[in-house]
Amino acid sequence: EVQLVESGGGLVQPGGSLKLSCAASGFTFSGSAMHWVRQASGKGLEWVGRIRSKANSYATAYAASVKGRFTISRDDSKNTAYLQMNSLKIEDTAVYYCTRLSGDDSSSWYRDWGQGTLVTVSS
Amino acid sequence: QSVLTQPPSVSGAPGQRVTISCTGSSSNIGAGYDVHWYQQLPGTAPKLLIHGNSNRPSGVPDRFSGSKSGTSASLAITGLQAEDEADYYCQSYDSSLSGRVFGGGTKLTVL
Repeated sequence: EVQLVESGGGLVQPGGSLKLSCAASGFTFSGSAMHWVRQASGKGLEWVGRIRSKANSYATAYAASVKGRFTISRDDSKNTAYLQMNSLKIEDTAVYYCTRLSGDDSSSWYRDWGQGTLVTVSS
Repeated sequence: QSVLTQPPSVSGAPGQRVTISCTGSSSNIGAGYDVHWYQQLPGTAPKLLIHGNSNRPSGVPDRFSGSKSGTSASLAITGLQAEDEADYYCQSYDSSLSGRVFGGGTKLTVL
């Protein structure tokens, strides 16, 4: 059974930092592209960024809204993906989901989702 | 403002048929990129409903169907049931943004 379990969410002040983790099991993590998607309360889904597999040079990409502030990484030995969030803003408040892509091309879809972890940015 | 446009809400009585539209542009749906649909029940994570425009994963009832034409796609739900009450999101790829994009979501209410 595929499982994606996010952790690390919490309350942080504006300008602060937080690191989310996504522990994966039930599939070949090292061969999978992993994405982060967020959802503000009562709002829609917003793609945050992704990291590709080693075969694709661990390439990363980010939404314009987080570029330069957020960094995605992975540790294939631990089957875990990470989202390092710096210079947090109030508008980053959201539930953050870790997701697994079905493949690694433009036609791929989000086949598995974690339960999400809540990040609240507030003073 | 989402790249893909969905109606904020739709509703229907039990047993009826409803459709949810997803309108894009020449850089995403119109460019030939696939459309996928997700269902998000209240308080839960999204779940894949339709992939590759019209393909249902195993376990998804055949009451759910997807289609795509030109710069738009549609999700149809027949034989509405109370358990279908949820938010529905379309998703595709956008070449100008070089990334995946979502619709703003549609809240389905079963009357």
